[in-house]
Amino acid sequence: GAGVSQTPSNKVTEKGKYVELRCDPISGHTALYWYRQSLGQGPEFLIYFQGTGAADDSGLPNDRFFAVRPEGSVSTLKIQRTERGDSAVYLCASSLIGVAGGTEAFFGQGTRLTVV
Amino acid sequence: AQRVTQPEKLLSVFKGAPVELKCNYSYSGSPELFWYVQYSRQRLQLLLRHISRESIKGFTADLNKGETSFHLKKPFAQEEDSAMYYCALREGDKIIFGKGTRLHILP
Repeated sequence: GAGVSQTPSNKVTEKGKYVELRCDPISGHTALYWYRQSLGQGPEFLIYFQGTGAADDSGLPNDRFFAVRPEGSVSTLKIQRTERGDSAVYLCASSLIGVAGGTEAFFGQGTRLTVV
Repeated sequence: AQRVTQPEKLLSVFKGAPVELKCNYSYSGSPELFWYVQYSRQRLQLLLRHISRESIKGFTADLNKGETSFHLKKPFAQEEDSAMYYCALREGDKIIFGKGTRLHILP
């Protein structure tokens, strides 16, 4: 079946604009993760959903970042008033029940966000 | 805070030579460690996890709690091993990644 799908694959936006990044997890996976990967760095945790609820949002850098997963499947990462420092690859991953339960996290191809 | 350290940004190894990618961690408790790999133009994927104690594509990694290390090893490098490698540990229900090491296999 299909893996984790992220759209768009590339997004260029102007400083100060609002952007939405979408993640379609593997069907049936209850756990969903968002990561941010800046140039030369490893993926940095942002937020984790279990079903519809954000179980851990400790990685969100500030209140400009917000994520939702209203029906427990597709998730949207929303960034308000974008800044040049937000430029990065945003990765989404899903896992059947979550990595704490021993199930593997499968990653999408990422969305490359460039703020100009 | 839990940390994963990969001291080498880039490692160049001749084909057929042994490979060792270093990883050290700090964790208060019993760690669960992983190696992830990202080949060119492909998505990040799990290579192996220490609890499985398996060998994947000829790679092995042993958890050394005394040295707090989880180095990735392969006895004979192949050209297709060229990729970015990330060491990671599980903290609760999330995975914490190191900065990664780019492995470049020379012909």
